[in-house]
Amino acid sequence: DTGVSQNPRHKITKRGQNVTFRCDPISEHNRLYWYRQTLGQGPEFLTYFQNEAQLEKSRLLSDRFSAERPKGSFSTLEIQRTEQGDSAMYLCASSLGLGSSHEQYFGPGTRLTVT
Amino acid sequence: AQSVSQHNHHVILSEAASLELGCNYSYGGTVNLFWYVQYPGQHLQLLLKYFSGDPLVKGIKGFEAEFIKSKFSFNLRKPSVQWSDTAEYFCAVTRNTGGFKTIFGAGTRLFVKA
Repeated sequence: DTGVSQNPRHKITKRGQNVTFRCDPISEHNRLYWYRQTLGQGPEFLTYFQNEAQLEKSRLLSDRFSAERPKGSFSTLEIQRTEQGDSAMYLCASSLGLGSSHEQYFGPGTRLTVT
Repeated sequence: AQSVSQHNHHVILSEAASLELGCNYSYGGTVNLFWYVQYPGQHLQLLLKYFSGDPLVKGIKGFEAEFIKSKFSFNLRKPSVQWSDTAEYFCAVTRNTGGFKTIFGAGTRLFVKA
């Protein structure tokens, strides 16, 4: 399967714990995006990478959230000191950087439940 | 701030009925426009896109959308829906310059009765 993959698919954690999610984009895609989606809403932009550079980060993202893409391939999203409000589906997408094209291919998501 | 509004949160249609889902965005510059679809149990996938040129764009499975710049709209249409079109549909906007943030609408859940 050459699509975007995300691990784990589900994560249950207690409030205050740290969690880390991984995203493996389509291999030739140089752009990678993270989104958060809650029930009844569309995906909410969190951050964007072009290769290993984090070019944009939502102002909604608190300091507890950090994302990396160290070698321009896979990416990790870490949430520190989780809160119940962090419970959501976390989506990763990738795209092939052709000019301003932003046609994105989405992964299955990681569903986080904070108890 | 940029925003995307989808007018209908839930739509129920019978098979063979025509479909139009509204999408309006707020941003004064040049934009790229998308419709994504999420079938039950599947990933979000691209249905169609507009970058430039002909404002009437055709996508997969008989869907089309029309970009009306003066109305900041990008409505999705299909002349005759099928039961297999039951899904959630999301409109999305990306600025063409000055950033890469993509804004999604809240989505429209379509249920097609067989």
